[in-house]
Amino acid sequence: GAGVSQTPSNKVTEKGKYVELRCDPISGHTALYWYRQSLGQGPEFLIYFQGTGAADDSGLPNDRFFAVRPEGSVSTLKIQRTERGDSAVYLCASSRTGGPGDTEAFFGQGTRLTVV
Amino acid sequence: GEDVEQSLFLSVREGDSSVINCTYTDSSSTYLYWYKQEPGAGLQLLTYIFSNMDMKQDQRLTVLLNKKDKHLSLRIADTQTGDSAIYFCAEFTGRRALTFGSGTRLQVQP
Repeated sequence: GAGVSQTPSNKVTEKGKYVELRCDPISGHTALYWYRQSLGQGPEFLIYFQGTGAADDSGLPNDRFFAVRPEGSVSTLKIQRTERGDSAVYLCASSRTGGPGDTEAFFGQGTRLTVV
Repeated sequence: GEDVEQSLFLSVREGDSSVINCTYTDSSSTYLYWYKQEPGAGLQLLTYIFSNMDMKQDQRLTVLLNKKDKHLSLRIADTQTGDSAIYFCAEFTGRRALTFGSGTRLQVQP
């Protein structure tokens, strides 16, 4: 597609439920990133994929958070047993290679998750 | 460790120059970025500078980098009301992901 697409744009869920957030990167981009942006803060790194594998998942806050990218394109961020503190905007970005000379990551519009 | 800091708020009059400042701590930063975020919109890359440069100009935008002091600034000349947004400074280090500051809200008064 023309840009990074994230669905849904808004998600309201009850505490304790499971949610999945989807990211469609720009076609051909091998690097994909998930960030989380809480109100009044900058985006915080969660996980980075290079192709199908998670090259760096050090930003995932705990084992309730998991992400996959089985075919090296679409990625899904999964959150189990959601808590109110998980409420935030979840941003996805992709870049062509993720290598040292790859200077631009393109961001999606984000999914606003609200846990009630 | 990685830490990027910015002041929270800046107000200027239309037509004036705006200067948004940022400090970072990771001396291994290779690229430093400025992103713009408007309400309800995604992050838009404005400009970036490689760590071996000290200045970059791109139309109304001037980026200054003082690597010794780990200080980055973004100057917007002839600021317009459409420039009102939140501006994020970010650094790219060896971990291959961006570390963002908490953003500076720029308010442009007509």
